[in-house]
Amino acid sequence: AQRVTQPEKLLSVFKGAPVELKCNYSYSGSPELFWYVQYSRQRLQLLLRHISRESIKGFTADLNKGETSFHLKKPFAQEEDSAMYYCALLDSNYQLIWGAGTKLIIKP
Amino acid sequence: EPEVTQTPSHQVTQMGQEVILRCVPISNHLYFYWYRQILGQKVEFLVSFYNNEISEKSEIFDDRFSVERPDGSNFTLKIRSTKLEDSAMYFCASRQGLGSYEQYFGPGTRLTVT
Repeated sequence: AQRVTQPEKLLSVFKGAPVELKCNYSYSGSPELFWYVQYSRQRLQLLLRHISRESIKGFTADLNKGETSFHLKKPFAQEEDSAMYYCALLDSNYQLIWGAGTKLIIKP
Repeated sequence: EPEVTQTPSHQVTQMGQEVILRCVPISNHLYFYWYRQILGQKVEFLVSFYNNEISEKSEIFDDRFSVERPDGSNFTLKIRSTKLEDSAMYFCASRQGLGSYEQYFGPGTRLTVT
């Protein structure tokens, strides 16, 4: 079955501390994975796509097929990173399968 | 920068009534989607639409639901005989296609069924 799991509903870290938001997936084919972010009162927006291997706003995510993971990382958290983060998998029909989301709170 | 827009931002309706949620996708996009998110739960796929027909739909998208692209700009989701459990945030998204995988989301419509 196709599934995306984000085990943490809430993650709270201090400003300047490293952040890791966990995402694991279950998919029989070759996965295409994304991180979406939703800042307070704003729309969902694409943060990262695994194929592009970019670093956006200091965030990176590496696809680990052995561990079926796509964890989102940032070495030094900033207060403006506080948001909901969703990991999503694009299936063969181009539908997004979503994780439950992790609320990230950066404490000053 | 072009954006997906949705109206209304909040819709309150009585159980059993019909509602139409409206979306204006980005103008050169070819693929359109509706998702919903019940409060406190994950985002769920409802339906995808391409070339004036439904491409895929989920189990949630039962025969009370329908989508339409009545003109060149709007993409609507109609829910007939609304139920309390239809209360959710409904997101529209569009994708350019032609090798582009990114879906662009609207701000959502909060539907409250009383």
